[in-house]
Amino acid sequence: NAGVMQNPRHLVRRRGQEARLRCSPMKGHSHVYWYRQLPEEGLKFMVYLQKENIIDESGMPKERFSAEFPKEGPSILRIQQVVRGDSAAYFCASSPGGTQPQHFGDGTRLSIL
Amino acid sequence: QQQVKQSPQSLIVQKGGISIINCAYENTAFDYFPWYQQFPGKGPALLIAIRPDVSEKKEGRFTISFNKSAKQFSLHIMDSQPGDSATYFCAGQTQGGSEKLVFGKGTKLTVNP
Repeated sequence: NAGVMQNPRHLVRRRGQEARLRCSPMKGHSHVYWYRQLPEEGLKFMVYLQKENIIDESGMPKERFSAEFPKEGPSILRIQQVVRGDSAAYFCASSPGGTQPQHFGDGTRLSIL
Repeated sequence: QQQVKQSPQSLIVQKGGISIINCAYENTAFDYFPWYQQFPGKGPALLIAIRPDVSEKKEGRFTISFNKSAKQFSLHIMDSQPGDSATYFCAGQTQGGSEKLVFGKGTKLTVNP
């Protein structure tokens, strides 16, 4: 059973460009969570989605960031007009929901030039 | 009220020794407390978890001790090995609601041979 798959593993963008990060949850998991990790920091929650629904986006910056989890295909975290401060590792986790634990992918390292 | 405070920030232990990492939480609604282990370049991997209705949980060399009245919990790694060298994160979660994990800032453990 494949784990949580994230791609790309590394992404380099110039300031002002768009970044698209993809996450395919584990088979059978319908809950997806995105977290951001800054250097020497813990992981910070960004958004929680179920198929076609955003459940909690309290950790998402109000501008430039959006997330979706369509009926078919991976979840997408989209960052528009990237700035240097967006440089971080972005992790996706999935779970079947309820009391089941979250399992993480290996992340996308985003670098902004 | 969402914070989880973790200490120490870094820890150096000799092979065979006991590693102890402490966490304190504020949100009394948390009802699930996982520990994650993260190696460089990888995503966090679930190590062990506890719910507040028990005071201790042991899995192999890893033990969680939980003190509900003090709102504190700790991870003990017995017979620490160089392969345990990694960053460890504690977290709190309210299940059934947002389900987001609130992480501590992490402890970088180094086990010397």
